[in-house]
Amino acid sequence: KAGVTQTPRYLIKTRGQQVTLSCSPISGHRSVSWYQQTPGQGLQFLFEYFSETQRNKGNFPGRFSGRQFSNSRSEMNVSTLELGDSALYLCASSLELAGGPREQYFGPGTRLTVT
Amino acid sequence: AQSVTQLDSQVPVFEEAPVELRCNYSSSVSVYLFWYVQYPNQGLQLLLKYLSGSTLVESINGFEAEFNKSQTSFHLRKPSVHISDTAEYFCAVSHITGGGNKLTFGTGTQLKVEL
Repeated sequence: KAGVTQTPRYLIKTRGQQVTLSCSPISGHRSVSWYQQTPGQGLQFLFEYFSETQRNKGNFPGRFSGRQFSNSRSEMNVSTLELGDSALYLCASSLELAGGPREQYFGPGTRLTVT
Repeated sequence: AQSVTQLDSQVPVFEEAPVELRCNYSSSVSVYLFWYVQYPNQGLQLLLKYLSGSTLVESINGFEAEFNKSQTSFHLRKPSVHISDTAEYFCAVSHITGGGNKLTFGTGTQLKVEL
């Protein structure tokens, strides 16, 4: 099976712009989660989508949003970019089993640089 | 709320020596436990998971971790490290119940294997 794929891998944006990142989960996985990784804050949970619905949300401002499509692919959007949004954005997918979700498998990430 | 503590930010070790990376967690409910490894400029790779059953779990590349409920720990060990084990290692937890996926990560331990 192909792993989690994320596009683009690298992105440079200017402060105030908006950006959309894309994630394709492992085939059959319906849960997709997004994380932000920075040197200062480490790995932080952004949100999770399951069956096109946001199921969990982290403590990020409303500028960060996401969605999931019927084929489980997901996008996240950041509006009005700030310098502090520079980070590695990681997407992870998980197989939903009876009794709850299991381990998450991560993509290679999108490196966003805001100038 | 749950939290994960990785006390050692960096662990230098000589090749073929044993290593232990420490992880302690805090949670009011039962959790799943994971170790992920991150190589430079890459995403996270699942190394080990504890979901249920035997408290000692092993990976295919010689790492093992033991879930200790009384000490709320999930330390990672390897009896003999190799240069290729140089990477950053993250301990993570997620709730067993409560709906959905949300990983809470520790701050990571940089393992540097030297000749």
